[in-house]
Amino acid sequence: RKEVEQDPGPFNVPEGATVAFNCTYSNSASQSFFWYRQDCRKEPKLLMSVYSSGNEDGRFTAQLNRASQYISLLIRDSKLSDSATYLCVVKNTNAGKSTFGDGTTLTVKP
Amino acid sequence: DAGVTQSPTHLIKTRGQQVTLRCSPKSGHDTVSWYQQALGQGPQFIFQYYEEEERQRGNFPDRFSGHQFPNYSSELNVNALLLGDSALYLCASSLGPGEQPQHFGDGTRLSIL
Repeated sequence: RKEVEQDPGPFNVPEGATVAFNCTYSNSASQSFFWYRQDCRKEPKLLMSVYSSGNEDGRFTAQLNRASQYISLLIRDSKLSDSATYLCVVKNTNAGKSTFGDGTTLTVKP
Repeated sequence: DAGVTQSPTHLIKTRGQQVTLRCSPKSGHDTVSWYQQALGQGPQFIFQYYEEEERQRGNFPDRFSGHQFPNYSSELNVNALLLGDSALYLCASSLGPGEQPQHFGDGTRLSIL
């Protein structure tokens, strides 16, 4: 079983739709959590950190459930420019190691 | 504000050769991590350097080695290249090895023939 698991998708949604991605992790020692987006053949770019209380950045909302070892990302009012692969990252800050999921691919269509 | 820079952008090698990839961290960052990303997969952690020492290592053989210099820049060396080493190699920097998020360079695309 992978340490970080994501539904690979692809998710194909129309513009304006709301879409949610889930991520589960197995290492309970994980302490920091992030969502990155990666465009085709480009580097990953930080989308947002994920906090226990949940946090929002414009159309994006991230949630963390430590008890269930589960992270989510909600995108509201999808735009064409949201088309990308979304990577879930968990970090064991004591070990200094970040573990990435394999990503969920989103395509937003007109 | 200079971001993470990597060189070269592309590289073609043959099996058995050795390669050195370079990374300069984002201005103000002191920690560098290296990742290997194969097509269709997420980045896989190779190792992290902080205070010029390898602080943590992923499941990569000893053929993969690295170094961090006093100016925080870093090198990734791979010896005895295999076809399976073909991938995008990403460098990420952060302020400290702890909870701060990492920022990635554009990567070096390595092809082994």
